[in-house]
Amino acid sequence: KAGVTQTPRYLIKTRGQQVTLSCSPISGHRSVSWYQQTPGQGLQFLFEYFSETQRNKGNFPGRFSGRQFSNSRSEMNVSTLELGDSALYLCASSLEDSLTQAFFGQGTRLTVV
Amino acid sequence: QKEVEQDPGPLSVPEGAIVSLNCTYSNSAFQYFMWYRQYSRKGPELLMYTYSSGNKEDGRFTAQVDKSSKYISLFIRDSQPSDSATYLCAMRDTGFQKLVFGTGTRLLVSP
Repeated sequence: KAGVTQTPRYLIKTRGQQVTLSCSPISGHRSVSWYQQTPGQGLQFLFEYFSETQRNKGNFPGRFSGRQFSNSRSEMNVSTLELGDSALYLCASSLEDSLTQAFFGQGTRLTVV
Repeated sequence: QKEVEQDPGPLSVPEGAIVSLNCTYSNSAFQYFMWYRQYSRKGPELLMYTYSSGNKEDGRFTAQVDKSSKYISLFIRDSQPSDSATYLCAMRDTGFQKLVFGTGTRLLVSP
């Protein structure tokens, strides 16, 4: 069974640009969550989607947004990039609506210059 | 104060040692407790999860939850160099669809 796939793996963007990251969950998983990981703050919750509905959102500015498609694939978008957005962005998928067994992808390493 | 506190380490032990990793938390609503292992440049890998208080064992790994003290632990027996990684605790309550993570403890097991 294929794991969680995130694309691209690495990305370099300039301040002010926008970026879209993609996540394909494990087949059959309908819950997808996004996290930002930085050395200082660790993993911080961005948002969670289940069956195309955002159920919970973390404390991030409105520049961070996401969506989920009918096939459970998810995208997150960051607009007007800032240097502080440089981080590893991780996607996790889980079966039905349980997060106790959330499986992570390899992440997308975003560098903003 | 963070909801979940975890010593960042690094924790250095010789091969074969018993390792104890710990987290404390402040939110008494947390009901689900998880441990993840993260190798450099990889995503976190789920090791164990427990519900409410008690112990759970899986091979060389044992997870303990003490809700009265708001304290969870992961024990690794017969540690191996391949166990060298960052270990993250994570928690959630029943009402919110998000995991709250500790900052991770870096473990180094020397041959």
